[in-house]
Amino acid sequence: GQQLNQSPQSMFIQEGEDVSMNCTSSSIFNTWLWYKQDPGEGPVLLIALYKAGELTSNGRLTAQFGITRKDSFLNISASIPSDVGIYFCAGQREDSNYQLIWGAGTKLIIKP
Amino acid sequence: GAVVSQHPSWVICKSGTSVKIECRSLDFQATTMFWYRQFPKQSLMLMATSNEGSKATYEQGVEKDKFLINHASLTLSTLTVTSAHPEDSSFYICSAPDLYGYTFGSGTRLTVV
Repeated sequence: GQQLNQSPQSMFIQEGEDVSMNCTSSSIFNTWLWYKQDPGEGPVLLIALYKAGELTSNGRLTAQFGITRKDSFLNISASIPSDVGIYFCAGQREDSNYQLIWGAGTKLIIKP
Repeated sequence: GAVVSQHPSWVICKSGTSVKIECRSLDFQATTMFWYRQFPKQSLMLMATSNEGSKATYEQGVEKDKFLINHASLTLSTLTVTSAHPEDSSFYICSAPDLYGYTFGSGTRLTVV
């Protein structure tokens, strides 16, 4: 099925560094969601975005809904060891019925 | 917040047997439930969408007779993997739309031996 283009695929960074990842699509989306998944668990919602240009923060996390409605980014500031995991973007197209389209995930690895 | 309770969290079964996975929305009504399958190091792949009171809609390539979905009530949806085979071993996750987005169950690790 269709996937969003999520990058990078993985990141290997030092503790305390800032992290940035993004998702792009050729289609227009009316919702962007960012999830984190720990091993053996279901995804947990981090940030939800509903309007073009919207910038939303959740603690050290910040995400933006691109103005073209075809992209979104997630930033994590001052990374800590518990940020390790896989981050997924997911979007809902204008013409969809609740269905989400998923990015392939960004695996975050933090060196202590 | 909204919670989707998924059980079992893991199951090991013999080849040829059937396994039922349940997802319950605990504090909201889930008229729709999405069922995903996730292979190691991969993203979630939508298998089917169940709607309370009607037949499930399956994605292309997903055998509806093998993956039986029942959405018995506004708080319960089940996925039954029939005549399971080793290639059905995977991580299965349900998800329901709520006020803020989508809430996911904690997943079921199915291992068929």
